[in-house]
Amino acid sequence: SQTIHQWPATLVQPVGSPLSLECTVEGTSNPNLYWYRQAAGRGLQLLFYSVGIGQISSEVPQNLSASRPQDRQFILSSKKLLLSDSGFYLCAWSVGTLNSPLHFGNGTRLTVT
Amino acid sequence: AQSVTQLDSHVSVSEGTPVLLRCNYSSSYSPSLFWYVQHPNKGLQLLLKYTSAATLVKGINGFEAEFKKSETSFHLTKPSAHMSDAAEYFCVVSGNSGGSNYKLTFGKGTLLTVNP
Repeated sequence: SQTIHQWPATLVQPVGSPLSLECTVEGTSNPNLYWYRQAAGRGLQLLFYSVGIGQISSEVPQNLSASRPQDRQFILSSKKLLLSDSGFYLCAWSVGTLNSPLHFGNGTRLTVT
Repeated sequence: AQSVTQLDSHVSVSEGTPVLLRCNYSSSYSPSLFWYVQHPNKGLQLLLKYTSAATLVKGINGFEAEFKKSETSFHLTKPSAHMSDAAEYFCVVSGNSGGSNYKLTFGKGTLLTVNP
């Protein structure tokens, strides 16, 4: 069966420090991969998605970047965190077409101080 | 363009009473629709999905939703609420958006509170 691992679960970082959040998927090949950010009362915002190794699409201009070095690995990064980067970050995967549902990791709670 | 509106940000019910979480959508295409549930500090879990088959969709944990094209609605219901149903629920519509085939649009969520 397919599983998704996302870590760390919580993270507290000072403003200006770098960020690296990692997500891996097991049990499926060539998944679509996604990074979402969730802010209280604002639903989910799609940050990045990837349909294959090295293919990254960015949804909104921001202080973050994403990379997909391997088929089932998706990394969210920042060189210098801002206070506004605080939030709950969710990785997700799907396979196939638009009608396929997303499968989410358990999220990372990031607090920038 | 597509959009989804969850009509209530917060719904409170008593244990054992029915649950109704309302969702309206707009889409230029025949949409697929989903409901997800999120418990505190957890990821989202798929409850059910509609993909142009039967209009009444049954999901996990006793939830179901009915696709009504004439009303552009996809409301989530459950006959009898359980304490464990307390969570946030998201309605999601899928469809082409700006030429990309991989985008889903999430509602802002409805927080369900279940009182003993």
